[in-house]
Amino acid sequence: QQQVKQSPQSLIVQKGGISIINCAYENTAFDYFPWYQQFPGKGPALLIAIRPDVSEKKEGRFTISFNKSAKQFSLHIMDSQPGDSATYFCAASGNTGKLIFGQGTTLQVKP
Amino acid sequence: DVKVTQSSRYLVKRTGEKVFLECVQDMDHENMFWYRQDPGLGLRLIYFSYDVKMKEKGDIPEGYSVSREKKERFSLILESASTNQTSMYLCASSLGGGDTQYFGPGTRLTVL
Repeated sequence: QQQVKQSPQSLIVQKGGISIINCAYENTAFDYFPWYQQFPGKGPALLIAIRPDVSEKKEGRFTISFNKSAKQFSLHIMDSQPGDSATYFCAASGNTGKLIFGQGTTLQVKP
Repeated sequence: DVKVTQSSRYLVKRTGEKVFLECVQDMDHENMFWYRQDPGLGLRLIYFSYDVKMKEKGDIPEGYSVSREKKERFSLILESASTNQTSMYLCASSLGGGDTQYFGPGTRLTVL
């Protein structure tokens, strides 16, 4: 019930393309869904986050789509750039404040 | 600017040694966390602390202990290091329970 499943494990996209990473959760008590971005040699950093009262949140080229009934959420990176190459983690939390992370997706954007 | 620092970027220890990993945050955050990161497994919570001298077990606490004597400092202790504790260890802090977690750069620990 506490798991967050993330796919794909790795993704290769051409520059200018759309990168899509998907996550699914089981615990309906989760009410906060952040995405973290991690560059090599660095710790993860918050990229964008959503709460279940909205179905979509957009910040620049990054969009979270949220489907409460399906218990799924996804990250879309529009016009992907080589500088977006990183590992991305979805996460979820409820009233405990503890984050449950997905397994991570390594994104490579080819020039 | 938000800052979480970890005492070492790389550490090599021998099996059976006692290992201390230190984490310091300068944001006056209440909550601090220790995770380990392994390929294909994501980040898994080892322990967290929501106040000085308070600690809670995370999902994988076995073989680890923690100490938080001061608000800004959270230490992870491996009482007797084993090879299966070779991993990347990440410290994080947050203002409150549901707030953004800020991560340090990580310590890559190798146990031989």
